Amino acid sequence: AQSVTQPDIHITVSEGASLELRCNYSYGATPYLFWYVQSPGQGLQLLLKYFSGDTLVQGIKGFEAEFKRSQSSFNLRKPSVHWSDAAEYFCAVSGGGGSQGNLIFGKGTKLSVKP
Amino acid sequence: SQTIHQWPATLVQPVGSPLSLECTVEGTSNPNLYWYRQAAGRGLQLLFYSIGIDQISSEVPQNLSASRPQDRQFILSSKKLLLSDSGFYLCAWSVRRPGANVLTFGAGSRLTVL
Repeated sequence: AQSVTQPDIHITVSEGASLELRCNYSYGATPYLFWYVQSPGQGLQLLLKYFSGDTLVQGIKGFEAEFKRSQSSFNLRKPSVHWSDAAEYFCAVSGGGGSQGNLIFGKGTKLSVKP
Repeated sequence: SQTIHQWPATLVQPVGSPLSLECTVEGTSNPNLYWYRQAAGRGLQLLFYSIGIDQISSEVPQNLSASRPQDRQFILSSKKLLLSDSGFYLCAWSVRRPGANVLTFGAGSRLTVL
């Protein structure tokens, strides 16, 4: 069965510092991978996605993520965090193929930013 | 452009009362529609998805049901709410095609059952 693990429940970084949020997935075939961000009390916004091709994908707000098949990982990175990046981040996997696009989400990582 | 609307944004209901959360999508036709629930510390759980009118799949046995009376309308209901139904409910849509789709989410509905 498909699953997504985000090992870090809560991360605090200083503004201007670099950020890496970890995501590991379990899926038998080539997965489709996503990162979403959620501000408090709001819906989810897509940051970036990986379907195929270049394993380093660029997203909005200066985020990027790298797909590493050998490690079953899709970690999210940002070189310099801004206070407005404080939010909860969700990694998700989709089965592709004959699936209806249902996403399986990790439990999320809450990011706090220190001034 | 496409937009997705959910209402009400916030709802406080007593145990045993009925529930109706509505979701509508504008600017697209024949979307896939989804209901997710987000409970504290548990991430997002897919409740229902629909690939068309009267084509609804339930992912988790529960006290809830879903209906799709029109192509771009998706309703989440309950006849009698339980305390465990409290949570943040998110509707989403995607283009209807097999395979990986980008889900676009609504702003969510916060349900508190007392």
